[in-house]
Amino acid sequence: DTGVSQDPRHKITKRGQNVTFRCDPISEHNRLYWYRQTLGQGPEFLTYFQNEAQLEKSRLLSDRFSAERPKGSFSTLEIQRTEQGDSAMYLCASSQTSGRIRELFFGEGSRLTVL
Amino acid sequence: EDQVTQSPEALRLQEGESSSLNCSYTVSGLRGLFWYRQDPGKGPEFLFTLYSAGEEKEKERLKATLTKKESFLHITAPKPEDSATYLCAVQDYGQNFVFGPGTRLSVLP
Repeated sequence: DTGVSQDPRHKITKRGQNVTFRCDPISEHNRLYWYRQTLGQGPEFLTYFQNEAQLEKSRLLSDRFSAERPKGSFSTLEIQRTEQGDSAMYLCASSQTSGRIRELFFGEGSRLTVL
Repeated sequence: EDQVTQSPEALRLQEGESSSLNCSYTVSGLRGLFWYRQDPGKGPEFLFTLYSAGEEKEKERLKATLTKKESFLHITAPKPEDSATYLCAVQDYGQNFVFGPGTRLSVLP
């Protein structure tokens, strides 16, 4: 296992279309996070899972956004009825909860462009 | 609400010119402070975790320090390959990670 992987790396879509991103975390990590990052800004928290349970969602997360982690392994982030303001890099990260080491390990991100 | 600010927003250094980046934070209960490096178009790459005031960590030309209100990332004799955005993040006891906006570092040869 070489790290967190995200797919697709780039997605261009038209306003109003639905898009889905997939994240495969590091296999022994039970915690999975989704972040959004726009140019010149730090990552902004969207949601996180511990195993298959979604434990927290950002208050800023529109109801057009939904995330799942059905078997506690990979996760998907779906954006319905995309808007131009959704254009950003969507980052997935994973971490473990056992022991003191709990830093996030990020994937390369999925860049979304909404036309 | 947890907050993280970073300064300067951007920094240009000549190769070999040492400097420091600042990360100031307010958090209800600090579980850890994290430094990341991010190259353009890539995900953040983990550098350091600091858990308590007074702690220091080093890696090659980088050294991170922590006080009760801020952290510094010291860069000694930087090289052009150190050019990147450096992100600071805090984790509170609610398990969330809050990131600062980053410092864009350019090291000129």
